[in-house]
Amino acid sequence: EVQLVESGGGLVQPGDSLRLSCAASGFSFSSRWMHWVRQVPGKGLVYIAHMSNDGGDTGYADSVKGRFTISRDNAKNTLYLQMNSLRAEDTAIYFCTTLEIRPSIEIWGQGTVVTVSS
Amino acid sequence: DVVMTQSPLSLPVTLGQPASISCRSSQSLVYSDGNTYLNWFQQRPGRSPRRLIYKVSDRDSGVPDRFSGSGSDTDFTLKISRVEAEDVGVYYCMQGTHWPKTFGQGTKVEIK
Repeated sequence: EVQLVESGGGLVQPGDSLRLSCAASGFSFSSRWMHWVRQVPGKGLVYIAHMSNDGGDTGYADSVKGRFTISRDNAKNTLYLQMNSLRAEDTAIYFCTTLEIRPSIEIWGQGTVVTVSS
Repeated sequence: DVVMTQSPLSLPVTLGQPASISCRSSQSLVYSDGNTYLNWFQQRPGRSPRRLIYKVSDRDSGVPDRFSGSGSDTDFTLKISRVEAEDVGVYYCMQGTHWPKTFGQGTKVEIK
């Protein structure tokens, strides 16, 4: 079965760190660019970061640049998002996705909830 | 960043009737390879988003043919020919031509 499964979310305090993981299965993870997208409940979708299939190309939204780091381990079929210096406004559901713009199959995880609150 | 503007933001529709959602971009979405990278997503309540349309008008596998996409350059439309109960949810356009990829605000489709 083709799937992405996120984990690592939780309740943290402002200034804390958290690492999200996204385990891929059922498709060729190492050949796909991957993205993190977040969504405040009841609000819209926002691109956070991306990484090319080989890790050579990365990008971030201005809102997380310098605080978040995307990485991947193709041997483990896993995507990561290291989140440092967390703020209340980072509270959201975080989705791992291929966010594909071409005909390749498009995949989304179920999301993991991050809550930043004192 | 490219701003994607959807309208309307709320769309009450009668079952069996058509629905149309507009999406406009602040810049041309024609890429240097000649393609236009405009996606449409559906997000049902409590679910992850699902891509319906890519490259303006290409339907994903398994997407009912009552969904169609059209448009060019900066002006795009998603149409549902006859709305069914399972179509309730929020619909987003997204441009993939320019980094960062950006989404519209979403259009909530509900049954009257």
